[in-house]
Amino acid sequence: NAGVTQTPKFRILKIGQSMTLQCTQDMNHNYMYWYRQDPGMGLKLIYYSVGAGITDKGEVPNGYNVSRSTTEDFPLRLELAAPSQTSVYFCATSFWTSTQTGNTIYFGEGSWLTVV
Amino acid sequence: GENVEQHPSTLSVQEGDSAVIKCTYSDSASNYFPWYKQELGKRPQLIIDIRSNVGEKKDQRIAVTLNKTAKHFSLHITETQPEDSAVYFCVGTSYGKLTFGQGTILTVHP
Repeated sequence: NAGVTQTPKFRILKIGQSMTLQCTQDMNHNYMYWYRQDPGMGLKLIYYSVGAGITDKGEVPNGYNVSRSTTEDFPLRLELAAPSQTSVYFCATSFWTSTQTGNTIYFGEGSWLTVV
Repeated sequence: GENVEQHPSTLSVQEGDSAVIKCTYSDSASNYFPWYKQELGKRPQLIIDIRSNVGEKKDQRIAVTLNKTAKHFSLHITETQPEDSAVYFCVGTSYGKLTFGQGTILTVHP
């Protein structure tokens, strides 16, 4: 049982390049999230998904795209990297239904991204 | 959407003192209130949580209190130790959409 797996752990991108951060979970959680955390700051929600085929924007979605074709995978795409996207990215999962709310949120180890 | 305000942003205490961090939330439908601890370079880890049908929950030196009427919940750490030094986050949970507070940097001086 690996939990939440994020790749890559570290990446340096040049301005204008594109890349995908991968997130996979094996806990059969329906909710998945992408957060970014700038140095010394809190976690800001980029996108989240309530299940396969359904995604929604969070607080800071500009410059990112997501897809959720399966329960297990929730990749985050950066199309045209900008220095402002230098951050640590965390994928997280949880199980949430109308009758079963408030379950533990599990985080991946994080992906350190630098755009130069 | 949910709005979560967390105070203070920094907290410095002497070892053995108590520390209190407070959060307010906006969505009256929220019914689950977790607290996370994040050490430098690590992912956030759950330390305690409370559900809306309970007013207080305690786990050794850590406790959380909830006031649903006033829409605020607090983290209490007693007998602080240097290893409690970290960033602490409260989380608002509105229909599964998770909003983190701004974070509190707790420093415990030996």
